[in-house]
Amino acid sequence: NAGVTQTPKFRVLKTGQSMTLLCAQDMNHEYMYWYRQDPGMGLRLIHYSVGEGTTAKGEVPDGYNVSRLKKQNFLLGLESAAPSQTSVYFCASTAVVDVHEQYFGPGTRLTVT
Amino acid sequence: DAKTTQPPSMDCAEGRAANLPCNHSTISGNEYVYWYRQIHSQGPQYIIHGLKNNETNEMASLIITEDRKSSTLILPHATLRDTAVYYCIVTVMAAGNKLTFGGGTRVLVKP
Repeated sequence: NAGVTQTPKFRVLKTGQSMTLLCAQDMNHEYMYWYRQDPGMGLRLIHYSVGEGTTAKGEVPDGYNVSRLKKQNFLLGLESAAPSQTSVYFCASTAVVDVHEQYFGPGTRLTVT
Repeated sequence: DAKTTQPPSMDCAEGRAANLPCNHSTISGNEYVYWYRQIHSQGPQYIIHGLKNNETNEMASLIITEDRKSSTLILPHATLRDTAVYYCIVTVMAAGNKLTFGGGTRVLVKP
């Protein structure tokens, strides 16, 4: 199993550009999450999904949109990137039958200039 | 979710036990205590969780006080690879099981 993978690993955007971050998991997990981590801080939840076709807002959802069209994929979109969105983005997933453990991906380092 | 308080940093000698404290004085009866760690720039890694009883797995032990207002994560024999930021999280196991990460404790294991 590859676990949780994230694409791309690094990206530099100019202010106003758009992009989509892809998270994929091969563990058949129902729940998926997108977090961001700013330097020296803990992770903050952006959006999450409890199943295919469903999404919900987390702690810091503004400026982001998400979609979960397939169970194994969770996409995070930035429609008009801002320097304040410079961060490391982590995706995670968990199974309903073992909901206590979240599995995290390696992260995407995004810089917006 | 209940707020947690952890020391910002601590050092530990390699081979010795590392005891990481966490205060969660406002914890409610249905909230679990979770510990995750994040090794430099990697995604966080689950360590252990508990509700009332003490728990042990292959990575660590979790000691929860009887009043549940504080807990201690114990790494029995710290190695250099245990150097990381350790997060204590308290949350209800509701739909989505969302986690709220605070600042954590930066643990440095020294030879």
